[in-house]
Amino acid sequence: QKEVEQDPGPLSVPEGAIVSLNCTYSNSAFQYFMWYRQYSRKGPELLMYTYSSGNKEDGRFTAQVDKSSKYISLFIRDSQPSDSATYLCAMSDHNQGGKLIFGQGTELSVKP
Amino acid sequence: GAGVSQSPSNKVTEKGKDVELRCDPISGHTALYWYRQSLGQGLEFLIYFQGNSAPDKSGLPSDRFSAERTGGSVSTLTIQRTQQEDSAVYLCASSGQGNQPQHFGDGTRLSIL
Repeated sequence: QKEVEQDPGPLSVPEGAIVSLNCTYSNSAFQYFMWYRQYSRKGPELLMYTYSSGNKEDGRFTAQVDKSSKYISLFIRDSQPSDSATYLCAMSDHNQGGKLIFGQGTELSVKP
Repeated sequence: GAGVSQSPSNKVTEKGKDVELRCDPISGHTALYWYRQSLGQGLEFLIYFQGNSAPDKSGLPSDRFSAERTGGSVSTLTIQRTQQEDSAVYLCASSGQGNQPQHFGDGTRLSIL
């Protein structure tokens, strides 16, 4: 079993839809949780960075962390075709130097 | 150039050759990481440098892989005697002091023939 599980999709939604992306994990020592967006042939781009449990909102994006359930989510409101990309969750235990453990990535397509 | 810079962007080489991949981190970032991204394995940690401390090499897959960081800035990842299974995208990331998030370059796409 992988430390971080993420549904690879692909996920296809119409423009304007609310998108929900999720990851589960097994290591209770993870403290920092991130979502990255990756376009084809580009590096991962940081979207959201959160510490411990709770919610964080940035524009159309909301990240949620539930440490008790070992479950994190990213919500995208009013999705746009430009949101079409692969979304990667990542997490780290800074007692281990901050190296990131990634999910497999979810491929999202937003259709106009 | 405010971001992480990697070169070359693409590298094609024959099996058995050595390759060197370069990473130029964001200015002032003290931590530098190498990851590998392949279809079957996703994104995997390789090695981590923090300031003048000894690097964390726990993710290197074999002794054919090595990395160094000169002057606390530029890093080079070297793969000796390349094998076909080394074909992947090699990504570099850097972060600032404290618990700062990592920012990635666009990677080097390595193909071993």
